[in-house]
Amino acid sequence: AQSVAQPEDQVNVAEGNPLTVKCTYSVSGNPYLFWYVQYPNRGLQFLLKYITGDNLVKGSYGFEAEFNKSQTSFHLKKPSALVSDSALYFCAAPGYGAGSYQLTFGKGTKLSVIP
Amino acid sequence: NAGVTQTPKFQVLKTGQSMTLQCAQDMNHNSMYWYRQDPGMGLRLIYYSASEGTTDKGEVPNGYNVSRLNKREFSLRLESAAPSQTSVYFCASRYEGAHQPQHFGDGTRLSIL
Repeated sequence: AQSVAQPEDQVNVAEGNPLTVKCTYSVSGNPYLFWYVQYPNRGLQFLLKYITGDNLVKGSYGFEAEFNKSQTSFHLKKPSALVSDSALYFCAAPGYGAGSYQLTFGKGTKLSVIP
Repeated sequence: NAGVTQTPKFQVLKTGQSMTLQCAQDMNHNSMYWYRQDPGMGLRLIYYSASEGTTDKGEVPNGYNVSRLNKREFSLRLESAAPSQTSVYFCASRYEGAHQPQHFGDGTRLSIL
């Protein structure tokens, strides 16, 4: 069964510092992996995805993610955090075959950027 | 281009009442989804519709029914609401292909007393 884990419920970072939000996965074969962001009282917004190819994926709002097959990780990163980056972040992966329609989400990591 | 639109945005029900949550997308997506979001539990899939005319159960289908009315619309019905169904409900849609991202509405906040 596909699974993703976000080991940190909350991450605090000072404005201007680099940020990392962690995700590890357990999926069969070559994974598709996604990051979403959720602002208060809003739905999830797609940030970026890994399909194949370059291990460093660039996405919206200056975010990027590094795919590491040996560590089964897909950590979200940003070189310089903004207060407006404060939000809830979700890692997700689809299943295979008939399960490919279903996304499995991590439990989410709350990012707080401190001015 | 509105994306995914959910109605209503807020609703309060009494235990035992029924309710239909509406969802429509204008992106010509084949697949549509209903999730619930509860604190500390991430998003859990209730039902999905891979294409018009089909629906399938997700992780937590008990107490819910769905209807894929046409390609644009996918509704979620609570026949007899229970306090355990107090949650935020999200609808999403996606193009064909597991590599495609899902697009989400802004949710319906449902409280059952």
